Amino acid sequence: LAKTTQPISMDSYEGQEVNITCSHNNIATNDYITWYQQFPSQGPRFIIQGYKTKVTNEVASLFIPADRKSSTLSLPRVSLSDTAVYYCLVVRSGNTGKLIFGQGTTLQVKP
Amino acid sequence: EPEVTQTPSHQVTQMGQEVILRCVPISNHLYFYWYRQILGQKVEFLVSFYNNEISEKSEIFDDQFSVERPDGSNFTLKIRSTKLEDSAMYFCASSEAGTGRVKLFFGSGTQLSVL
Repeated sequence: LAKTTQPISMDSYEGQEVNITCSHNNIATNDYITWYQQFPSQGPRFIIQGYKTKVTNEVASLFIPADRKSSTLSLPRVSLSDTAVYYCLVVRSGNTGKLIFGQGTTLQVKP
Repeated sequence: EPEVTQTPSHQVTQMGQEVILRCVPISNHLYFYWYRQILGQKVEFLVSFYNNEISEKSEIFDDQFSVERPDGSNFTLKIRSTKLEDSAMYFCASSEAGTGRVKLFFGSGTQLSVL
């Protein structure tokens, strides 16, 4: 599976848009990209997933360029409650639920 | 939104004792998982379970670990003889689909402390 690389930490302020970029240079054609969020002492929570171009839901947007070697999670107008660890995962279609988590990006939102 | 429920939230045990961690997956889900996270480390896959059988397990999931779906609602993880290094947060998860674009729903975890 493609290895993912994302910043270890990011700081932001309330009301700002936050973009977290993940690189996955060796992504295969049957891989898709998934992002999870984890608050302290809680389990990861699914945010968004996509294969290419742009996906948007009520929580975030996911931008994937044509070469799919990277992806960007965009959180609009963050609040203090968005302070969490964000994980970028490359998941192979046909995967049986074995997710490989990296260290993630710790986002700290300040007032 | 439906939730995965885990009990207890905290479990303290002595080394060598058996522990059973309990989970109630989301009711229409058929695929179940256990993950763990040692303090300050990554979330690690332990095992996946479907149709009363283990689908896949990691190297961590050795003979000391077992899983069971004792009835139509519960899913358990048993550690037969706990070691100090088993101290971690254990997360249960479930999913509606087992392949394709799998979306896992995780519980809030059981913090296991082995003394």
